[in-house]
Amino acid sequence: DAGVIQSPRHEVTEMGQEVTLRCKPISGHDYLFWYRQTMMRGLELLIYFNNNVPIDDSGMPEDRFSAKMPNASFSTLKIQPSEPRDSAVYFCASSRRLAGNTGELFFGEGSRLTVL
Amino acid sequence: SQQGEEDPQALSIQEGENATMNCSYKTSINNLQWYRQNSGRGLVHLILIRSNEREKHSGRLRVTLDTSKKSSSLLITASRAADTASYFCATDDSGSARQLTFGSGTQLTVLP
Repeated sequence: DAGVIQSPRHEVTEMGQEVTLRCKPISGHDYLFWYRQTMMRGLELLIYFNNNVPIDDSGMPEDRFSAKMPNASFSTLKIQPSEPRDSAVYFCASSRRLAGNTGELFFGEGSRLTVL
Repeated sequence: SQQGEEDPQALSIQEGENATMNCSYKTSINNLQWYRQNSGRGLVHLILIRSNEREKHSGRLRVTLDTSKKSSSLLITASRAADTASYFCATDDSGSARQLTFGSGTQLTVLP
């Protein structure tokens, strides 16, 4: 299995531009998570999906952030318009089960976003 | 706020020594997990311990869990330079959603 695949690995953009991050989860995993990692705030859960349906988006910082999962093998996280404070590493992860049911997460390599 | 908090924030040891990292959390949990992150990479799952377990081993890793103190420790024995990484504990949130919440991490440096 190729693991969780994220693209792009690095993105540099200017304030106000739209950013789209992409994720392909591991086949057969029913849960998909988007996390954001910064030095100041550590790893934050933004949103997660179960069977392509968003379950909890309480971690999404603002309306500028949106996430979709049109099918079981693809998800996007979009930021529009982007701001410098959005600069972070964004991770996608997938799992067979929720953590409460001993589900371990499989992470992608992350998308490092820099907003100038 | 983060569920788990690791201690120490940074740890530097010589190759061959043991490394101990601690994690404290705030709410009831079903299980606690430890992850490793190499610089510039994604997190990798190391070990999971259930709330009804007190100790678990996996190779050179030993994890303990004390639910009365809401704390866990990760011991890496006979450390190697390749163990240099950040280590995170993660707990399933006590809320209904039961998603995984990560601590702030311990940066371990193993000197050759």
